Amino acid sequence: GAGVSQSPSNKVTEKGKDVELRCDPISGHTALYWYRQSLGQGLEFLIYFQGNSAPDKSGLPSDRFSAERTGGSVSTLTIQRTQQEDSAVYLCASSFNPQGAFFGQGTRLTVV
Amino acid sequence: AQKITQTQPGMFVQEKEAVTLDCTYDTSDPSYGLFWYKQPSSGEMIFLIYQGSYDQQNATEGRYSLNFQKARKSANLVISASQLGDSAMYFCAMREPYGNNRLAFGKGNQVVVIP
Repeated sequence: GAGVSQSPSNKVTEKGKDVELRCDPISGHTALYWYRQSLGQGLEFLIYFQGNSAPDKSGLPSDRFSAERTGGSVSTLTIQRTQQEDSAVYLCASSFNPQGAFFGQGTRLTVV
Repeated sequence: AQKITQTQPGMFVQEKEAVTLDCTYDTSDPSYGLFWYKQPSSGEMIFLIYQGSYDQQNATEGRYSLNFQKARKSANLVISASQLGDSAMYFCAMREPYGNNRLAFGKGNQVVVIP
């Protein structure tokens, strides 16, 4: 596709369940970022992948959060045992060069 | 430590007027990039403009220009001839390619354009 694609666009889950959020970056983009945005707030960095390097996981809020990127392309963010405070919009961005990072439409996660 | 600072309260701007959104940043790296993004109520993050730390001229993209004052570590966004569709949150961000290379975002500025 032409842009960054995220799925699902909306996800409602029960507290305690696991969820997987998917990001398809722009083809050829070597860098991939995950951010979280709570209602009315700024963007909170979660994790960053760059090529084959070890990911920068320093933004993950707890060990319930994990992410992987397979084949340097698609990425999955997994949240285990979801809590209500995990409710937010999860944004993915990809980049090829230092001059631009392009975002997907986000996944709105609601934990009930 | 806060890397990007955006402290202006929400702003109301008259249509067709210019508006300046303030952004200051903190880095010790000589090489970095500065970005502005727009987030309308629909939630998408739209890339507006980029300024590299070694760029000699201020970046411009259509009605958007970046007032880059390196010594003051300031990267203000200027939107000329505001339109109703400019109403949105605006985020300033910085990337340090030889640091952690993540995009660090400010807390955003809310702009409402009024007719």
